[in-house]
Amino acid sequence: QVHLVESGGGVVQPGRSLRLSCAASGFTFSDNPIHWVRQAPGKGLEWMAVISSNGRNADYADSVKGRFTISRDNSKNTAYLQMNSLRGDDTAVYYCAREGFYSSNSWGFFDYWGQGTLVTVSS
Amino acid sequence: QSALAQPASVSGSPGQSITISCSGTSSDVGGYDHVSWYQHHPDKAPKLIIYDVRSRPSGVSNRFSGSKSGNTASLTISGLQAEDEADYYCFSYTSSYTYVFGSGTKVTVL
Repeated sequence: QVHLVESGGGVVQPGRSLRLSCAASGFTFSDNPIHWVRQAPGKGLEWMAVISSNGRNADYADSVKGRFTISRDNSKNTAYLQMNSLRGDDTAVYYCAREGFYSSNSWGFFDYWGQGTLVTVSS
Repeated sequence: QSALAQPASVSGSPGQSITISCSGTSSDVGGYDHVSWYQHHPDKAPKLIIYDVRSRPSGVSNRFSGSKSGNTASLTISGLQAEDEADYYCFSYTSSYTYVFGSGTKVTVL
């Protein structure tokens, strides 16, 4: 069955960098776009970034554009989120999610999620 | 990229029906049928309950239904049960090739 497992979270000082990984199994990884979503303490879900199935295209929320980079290695069934210039308001649980698609008109939703990894930005 | 507007909380008694609204613009909810809904229990991964405005994934109770009118999408939970107590989020594709979540609604079963 489909599994997504995030790793790489932890405590990091403001201004530093961190790279999160999302290891996938149970499906043909190169078939699906992958997204990153986060939830800050006491706040709602926030969409952050998406990478296409072949890795050639990526889009970002304005809040992270220019600081965060999403990438993937289909040979390793893994997606990544490189986070630079981290700030206190980046403190959150970070989830990776698989974008499902059932037809050319049915896409843009998350059919599988990881359990999340906590990133705490603090001095 | 402001969050789509949802009521902060909705409550109902067991067996009742409740509806959660999700208000956007013609650049997101109103412009596309790529609207989905997620149920989120604390300390668990969110769960897809509605996709493509009104479609239900296999295994999701038919007590959950979705609809859309203009720039507002809605999620209705009928026959409310204690296990439905959770946070609910709408989600939409946007004209900027990005995506946006709703602000979230806490559902309380009285």
